[in-house]
Amino acid sequence: GENVEQHPSTLSVQEGDSAVIKCTYSDSASNYFPWYKQELGKRPQLIIDIRSNVGEKKDQRIAVTLNKTAKHFSLHITETQPEDSAVYFCAASRGDYKLSFGAGTTVTVRA
Amino acid sequence: GAGVSQSPSNKVTEKGKDVELRCDPISGHTALYWYRQSLGQGLEFLIYFQGNSAPDKSGLPSDRFSAERTGGSVSTLTIQRTQQEDSAVYLCASSLVEGEGGYTFGSGTRLTVV
Repeated sequence: GENVEQHPSTLSVQEGDSAVIKCTYSDSASNYFPWYKQELGKRPQLIIDIRSNVGEKKDQRIAVTLNKTAKHFSLHITETQPEDSAVYFCAASRGDYKLSFGAGTTVTVRA
Repeated sequence: GAGVSQSPSNKVTEKGKDVELRCDPISGHTALYWYRQSLGQGLEFLIYFQGNSAPDKSGLPSDRFSAERTGGSVSTLTIQRTQQEDSAVYLCASSLVEGEGGYTFGSGTRLTVV
């Protein structure tokens, strides 16, 4: 089955700086890669996703890049703000079902 | 409904008791998933339902765990003879099409086995 590894497990950044989270996946057939944000005590929420026919996708201050050859994808958050503090999960699937999640990255934005 | 609804939000049970967790997906969503999130951990896949197809039960950790989905809508996750290691947040999610467009998660049921 699919195995997704996520790094780092914790990330502390100064407000206004950028944050980068990286994930690798094992199944070369995976073609759908979403990112979820989970604030403390709340449900995970989809923030951005990318499919394997696209190398990069951007939505305001967040962007995701995908390298299919290397089987890794990354989340980039620019101009971080305190409300960006949360746990972020990457995931991968073949686009049919059953997302496999990374272990999560706890991001803390220091004011 | 407007979102994925789970009940109860919190459940404390004694070791050895059975518990039932309920999930009401978004109306029209054909795919329904159960995940487990232990304290400070990632999301562990448990089971997946898609329409009238046989469910994918490959993530259920033991035969004490079972789930059903009635009428292609509401799902119930049952844990028999609960153990302390079953303590976790149980998250349900649904999607319109298998995997596509991402999941919408419910708020979860926090299960504590004492």
